[in-house]
Amino acid sequence: GESVGLHLPTLSVQEGDNSIINCAYSNSASDYFIWYKQESGKGPQFIIDIRSNMDKRQGQRVTVLLNKTVKHLSLQIAATQPGDSAVYFCAENGSNDYKLSFGAGTTVTVRA
Amino acid sequence: KAGVTQTPRYLIKTRGQQVTLSCSPISGHRSVSWYQQTPGQGLQFLFEYFSETQRNKGNFPGRFSGRQFSNSRSEMNVSTLELGDSALYLCASSLSPGEDGYTFGSGTRLTVV
Repeated sequence: GESVGLHLPTLSVQEGDNSIINCAYSNSASDYFIWYKQESGKGPQFIIDIRSNMDKRQGQRVTVLLNKTVKHLSLQIAATQPGDSAVYFCAENGSNDYKLSFGAGTTVTVRA
Repeated sequence: KAGVTQTPRYLIKTRGQQVTLSCSPISGHRSVSWYQQTPGQGLQFLFEYFSETQRNKGNFPGRFSGRQFSNSRSEMNVSTLELGDSALYLCASSLSPGEDGYTFGSGTRLTVV
């Protein structure tokens, strides 16, 4: 079936270091990808998105990379802070199907 | 600018009962979609509405239904509740699905006892 998944369920990072969260997807028709951050008791919060005609996009302290050849998506967080501790999800939107398919999520814990 | 508002935040129901959850999207957003989040299954798509029309539906039994009103507000209903329906139900709105990010509400935590 078609799915979006993250490589690792947990990631522990030292404060100040850079974090890299990976995601693999299988639907070659996917044309829009989003990274979300979810903190306890809250809904997913939009971080950054990227369309399939791009391979890199940068935001504030975050960068998303898309490799369509191997169907891989990654989120890089620069200078990780305690407030970055959360569950991170990648999500994929196929063309004209009006829904997001989510990966299982990666729990990021920032060590002081 | 107000975000996506979901009510109620918490709900406890008994097996066999039915429940209605409400979602008010961001002003101007006409697409509203619903997701179920559980520890075991993660985030699963329920359905999406645009201009009062359901455009897509996930793989859930017919006990799960929804609708959208002319002001874009949406409700979802679950009838004959089962213990397994206990979950966080999330609503997301979008200006243009597939082109703009989906903004999620804080969800409704439903517990079925």
